[in-house]
Amino acid sequence: AQKITQTQPGMFVQEKEAVTLDCTYDTSDPSYGLFWYKQPSSGEMIFLIYQGSYDQQNATEGRYSLNFQKARKSANLVISASQLGDSAMYFCAMREDTGGNEKLTFGTGTRLTIIP
Amino acid sequence: NAGVTQTPKFQVLKTGQSMTLQCAQDMNHEYMSWYRQDPGMGLRLIHYSVGAGITDQGEVPNGYNVSRSTTEDFPLRLLSAAPSQTSVYFCASSPRGSNGYTFGSGTRLTVV
Repeated sequence: AQKITQTQPGMFVQEKEAVTLDCTYDTSDPSYGLFWYKQPSSGEMIFLIYQGSYDQQNATEGRYSLNFQKARKSANLVISASQLGDSAMYFCAMREDTGGNEKLTFGTGTRLTIIP
Repeated sequence: NAGVTQTPKFQVLKTGQSMTLQCAQDMNHEYMSWYRQDPGMGLRLIHYSVGAGITDQGEVPNGYNVSRSTTEDFPLRLLSAAPSQTSVYFCASSPRGSNGYTFGSGTRLTVV
């Protein structure tokens, strides 16, 4: 079974609009972490935002926010006021730490294209 | 502070050849891991390590070996390369339980 599911292979969004990238996860661990990474066409992995499973508030980092719905096991990324430079692949990832063994697993990604 | 350094950046191998992808970090991170990225499949975990002397398998370990003799280095060995191992390989590191992982710039490997 997939640990991280990203159901949107691609999205096209008008510049300056907000965009939501979906991510659902599956774990039985009570303690876990959720991450979003951006991969531009140059190929590097850029960390965007983190949400811990015990965090009471949704994480925010500038124009990025993470809509964390624990009961639904979803961790959607919201980008406000999109810019042309936001065009990239976006990956959701989850860290599990089971019995002292830490693993970080990724979803298949969403390719976001911002239209001028 | 160099972060995570991967070498080489590009490599072409013939089927059956062996090679080692190097990964080094200078941040004293306990956790290190290797991923491969293929189109449409995201990043898949190959092997990971939570500290020197400790390694474990991820989702796609077959055909790859790792060792972690020091905190700084986590090399990935391909013993007998196959065309199916053509991919982009990323190494990542972090402190244990971190809220952010640092990635290397990747190695693009082609097996012909």
